[in-house]
Amino acid sequence: SSELTQDPAVSVALGQTVRITCQGDSLRNYYANWYQQKPGQAPVVVIYAKDNRPSGIPDRFSGSRLGNTASLTITGAQAEDEADYYCNSRDSSGTQWVFGGGTKVTVL
Amino acid sequence: EVQLVESGGGLVQPGRSLRLSCTASGFTFGGYEMSWFRQAPGKGLEWVGFIRSKAYYGTTEYAASVKGRFTISRDDSKSISYLQMDSLKTEDTAVYYCTRDVSGWQDFDYYYMDVWGKGTTVTVSS
Repeated sequence: SSELTQDPAVSVALGQTVRITCQGDSLRNYYANWYQQKPGQAPVVVIYAKDNRPSGIPDRFSGSRLGNTASLTITGAQAEDEADYYCNSRDSSGTQWVFGGGTKVTVL
Repeated sequence: EVQLVESGGGLVQPGRSLRLSCTASGFTFGGYEMSWFRQAPGKGLEWVGFIRSKAYYGTTEYAASVKGRFTISRDDSKSISYLQMDSLKTEDTAVYYCTRDVSGWQDFDYYYMDVWGKGTTVTVSS
């Protein structure tokens, strides 16, 4: 079972904004990270720590945090953003990784 | 180019062993914690374990589902991380990924996996 909780699926119209949330006690101590995974591919980090985007990740991806909830926002979703998105962090002790169950984003 | 390449996957019978390797290139391997994750067919990502860098004594942590059966080690001279899997079960069937882990501080501590390999497939079946 996942120690972070995500909605299983969301859909968004092309060009519109979608927010994915992730809840868990560990997020009070550690930032959530967000990974995008397309079918048959390895995950790729899109947001880490305090709303940081690795090189090559479009600025339509952004992250935020409030209490035990982290959010990933895609502003102006594109067809290529259709993927599974996973949040993760260290657990509250800092000695394990925990994941959310993943959110499937469909771009209509 | 920073790269991780997993190898060693395959078909194995329940109860047998398998060793996976994660070969790194393009960075100073010894300075990083390295993790292993897996993804069963049609399922989400699951953490398997990690090994800290020698600066943190190369200590290891494991998920409860594999503790006592799986062992992670590293050879910094070869830039390789190993995942030794013993007493394999059918539920260990998955794609196994290794990652490079990064930590820092930005108002709070943060850790994340910045580089992933493409994965290697392990199938446990009789």
